[in-house]
Amino acid sequence: DAGVTQSPTHLIKTRGQHVTLRCSPISGHKSVSWYQQVLGQGPQFIFQYYEKEERGRGNFPDRFSARQFPNYSSELNVNALLLGDSALYLCASSTTVRYGYTFGSGTRLTVV
Amino acid sequence: EDKVVQSPLSLVVHEGDTVTLNCSYEVTNFRSLLWYKQEKKAPTFLFMLTSSGIEKKSGRLSSILDKKELFSILNITATQTGDSAVYLCAVDHSGGGADGLTFGKGTHLIIQP
Repeated sequence: DAGVTQSPTHLIKTRGQHVTLRCSPISGHKSVSWYQQVLGQGPQFIFQYYEKEERGRGNFPDRFSARQFPNYSSELNVNALLLGDSALYLCASSTTVRYGYTFGSGTRLTVV
Repeated sequence: EDKVVQSPLSLVVHEGDTVTLNCSYEVTNFRSLLWYKQEKKAPTFLFMLTSSGIEKKSGRLSSILDKKELFSILNITATQTGDSAVYLCAVDHSGGGADGLTFGKGTHLIIQP
């Protein structure tokens, strides 16, 4: 079985641009969460979606948005990129809202 | 403010040594504590702890939770170079909503041959 897949694996963007990151959960998993991990820190919660509805939001500005599609895949969008948005963005899926999170390998975003 | 604190932040030991990693937490509506191992990118799940005093074991790794003192430890015995990684502690909290996991900064463990 495929694990959680994220694309792209690496991305370089310029300040002010917009970026879309994608995540496909494990088959049968209906919940997807997004985390930002800055170098040297633990992952920080951004969003959680379950059955296509937002179930939780972390302390991130409105430049960050996400959505979940009928097939349970998800997109994370970040507008007006700042240098500080450079990080590893991790997606995690689970069968329910709060049990058994499995992480993908992440997207490394560099903003220059 | 919800917080998870791990110690030490980094640790260098020799192969064969035993290590103990610490995680303390202060959160609202605690549900469970999770340990992950992060080698390159994807954190991989190690343990989920919900009850105090019940040790979970997997090979050379074990973990226990103390809900009274609000901490957990992760033990690794007979360490091997393949154990080198960042070990992350996370707490799942919040009664009804889905507030996600709150992570500590991690312990960077280096096993020298």
